Amino acid sequence: EAGVAQSPRYKIIEKRQSVAFWCNPISGHATLYWYQQILGQGPKLLIQFQNNGVVDDSQLPKDRFSAERLKGVDSTLKIQPAKLEDSAVYLCASSLDFDRGLYEQYFGPGTRLTVT
Amino acid sequence: KNEVEQSPQNLTAQEGEFITINCSYSVGISALHWLQQHPGGGIVSLFMLSSGKKKHGRLIATINIQEKHSSLHITASHPRDSAVYICAVVPPIDDYGGSQGNLIFGKGTKLSVKP
Repeated sequence: EAGVAQSPRYKIIEKRQSVAFWCNPISGHATLYWYQQILGQGPKLLIQFQNNGVVDDSQLPKDRFSAERLKGVDSTLKIQPAKLEDSAVYLCASSLDFDRGLYEQYFGPGTRLTVT
Repeated sequence: KNEVEQSPQNLTAQEGEFITINCSYSVGISALHWLQQHPGGGIVSLFMLSSGKKKHGRLIATINIQEKHSSLHITASHPRDSAVYICAVVPPIDDYGGSQGNLIFGKGTKLSVKP
């Protein structure tokens, strides 16, 4: 079974530029999560999708971050414009179906973003 | 006070040593994850448990729901075990209303195993 795929693995941009990350969850997983992990801290949930609907985006800085999961499969996370404090690892995870109690999460390799 | 506390924060061991990492939490939970994160950033789920004990190879995870405590043990440690180990809990949905019980993460334990 293929795991959660993310791209790119690494990205370096200047502040005020835009960047987009892509995630392909495990096939058949209804629930998809985006996390931000700043160096030395645990991951922080940015947004959770159930199929193509948003379940929780309470910690997403909506003035600059956006995410979508069209067709309930792949997802993209965008930052526009980036700030220095956005430097972090962005992790995507998926679970079979949180609504049915199938909430074990599988994580992708992450995208390490450096904003200079 | 963090809802999920791990100890120790950093741990250095010699190859072959038995290692224990502890996790205490203050919220009600429906399950607990132990995760492994290597320097490249990717996270691997080692265990998810809600009671008792699970074993996989040299790794053993235990949980005591009454005491709100879990431990991760590594037997015969090896340099390739060097990583950050993260404890994360899944709250019951009722405690968090519409948040759907998202994971609450500890800050991680950085393990370094020397040859």
